[in-house]
Amino acid sequence: AQSVTQLDSQVPVFEEAPVELRCNYSSSVSVYLFWYVQYPNQGLQLLLKYLSGSTLVESINGFEAEFNKSQTSFHLRKPSVHISDTAEYFCAVSEWFGVNTGNQFYFGTGTSLTVIP
Amino acid sequence: DGGITQSPKYLFRKEGQNVTLSCEQNLNHDAMYWYRQDPGQGLRLIYYSQIVNDFQKGDIAEGYSVSREKKESFPLTVTSAQKNPTAFYLCASSLRTYSNSPLHFGNGTRLTVT
Repeated sequence: AQSVTQLDSQVPVFEEAPVELRCNYSSSVSVYLFWYVQYPNQGLQLLLKYLSGSTLVESINGFEAEFNKSQTSFHLRKPSVHISDTAEYFCAVSEWFGVNTGNQFYFGTGTSLTVIP
Repeated sequence: DGGITQSPKYLFRKEGQNVTLSCEQNLNHDAMYWYRQDPGQGLRLIYYSQIVNDFQKGDIAEGYSVSREKKESFPLTVTSAQKNPTAFYLCASSLRTYSNSPLHFGNGTRLTVT
């Protein structure tokens, strides 16, 4: 089974400053990688995903993540954060076990991003 | 719009009572999942189902039960055997036959047991 590590449980950052949220996973076996965002008392929303192809993936709201196979990492970055980015961010990995078993998903413990005015 | 509906959003129960959380999806997804979320612990898998009338235990299934009688519905029952049931419960779904299908989540049910 995979394990997903988000090294920072809390990240405070000033508005308009850059931020990086770190994510490492345990195995470089063929996996798919995701970042989800969660606002208080809501479900998780898919922020971006790496499935194949270019190792740099971008979201519509300025976040990007880079897949690094040799370091088994998928760090999330944003060059300039806004107050509205304050939320919990989860890194997730899925492995495919065939049509009968389907995908198994593994989540990190989350990083709480707080943007300070 | 397609999505996952969890109801109710907030649920209060007395200790010793069973309670059922509803999860309905209209995404035509085969696979459905139940997660429990506690502060600082991320998401923990309770049960999952890949097809109708079939489901498997996740990492923390003790004290919970599920059914999957319809593709669209995957209710979770929190029984009185669950020692610490107060938590935020999330239902999710994905396409079973696509290896790169992400999880889609509902907005959760916050259960408080006193």
